[in-house]
Amino acid sequence: SAVISQKPSRDICQRGTSLTIQCQVDSQVTMMFWYRQQPGQSLTLIATANQGSEATYESGFVIDKFPISRPNLTFSTLTVSNMSPEDSSIYLCSGRDRGNYNEQFFGPGTRLTVL
Amino acid sequence: AQSVAQPEDQVNVAEGNPLTVKCTYSVSGNPYLFWYVQYPNRGLQFLLKYITGDNLVKGSYGFEAEFNKSQTSFHLKKPSALVSDSALYFCAVSSLSGAGSYQLTFGKGTKLSVIP
Repeated sequence: SAVISQKPSRDICQRGTSLTIQCQVDSQVTMMFWYRQQPGQSLTLIATANQGSEATYESGFVIDKFPISRPNLTFSTLTVSNMSPEDSSIYLCSGRDRGNYNEQFFGPGTRLTVL
Repeated sequence: AQSVAQPEDQVNVAEGNPLTVKCTYSVSGNPYLFWYVQYPNRGLQFLLKYITGDNLVKGSYGFEAEFNKSQTSFHLKKPSALVSDSALYFCAVSSLSGAGSYQLTFGKGTKLSVIP
């Protein structure tokens, strides 16, 4: 399976600022996803990053708060905008192999703390 | 809507003993089932999956899982636990039919502690 890297690995941010998280896959993938994992919680899907078009957001998540880009088949960014302490979480990038519609692999995550 | 239940927040087992981490699911259509493991400060690592075929699936690090359609379960098992197996385990399901096809839905996770 492909390998995903994320930058930054962690950050501490001030309330009201924005942070952009980068996700790089070492091979082309059909689908990319962004998840949030709040402390002690499971993974919640934020959106599906679609190459060349607007991301598809899950209920409770909006583009103004979490704008996503996916300029090609190996790269995506997630921005957490106008942050508040409630946004403190781990953000995980995920991809699905081009040749396998069922197995997803994950990046190491970005641990975000908002003060 | 599809869902996954992991009824145990934590499982404790002595090193060398068999371990079981429970998972039940609900989907419309045929389920695709997965187990992932998360070590502290790390992302999720794929362990194994059930797509079709044999109900007993073998995966990484000596883990296996048994698909039981009548009980809608997919419990994770290992014959002899290692201290290094201590981690957070997530069960996940996706389905080919209905809204959200191919999207994974995760359980809340089970923390496994293997005691030396």
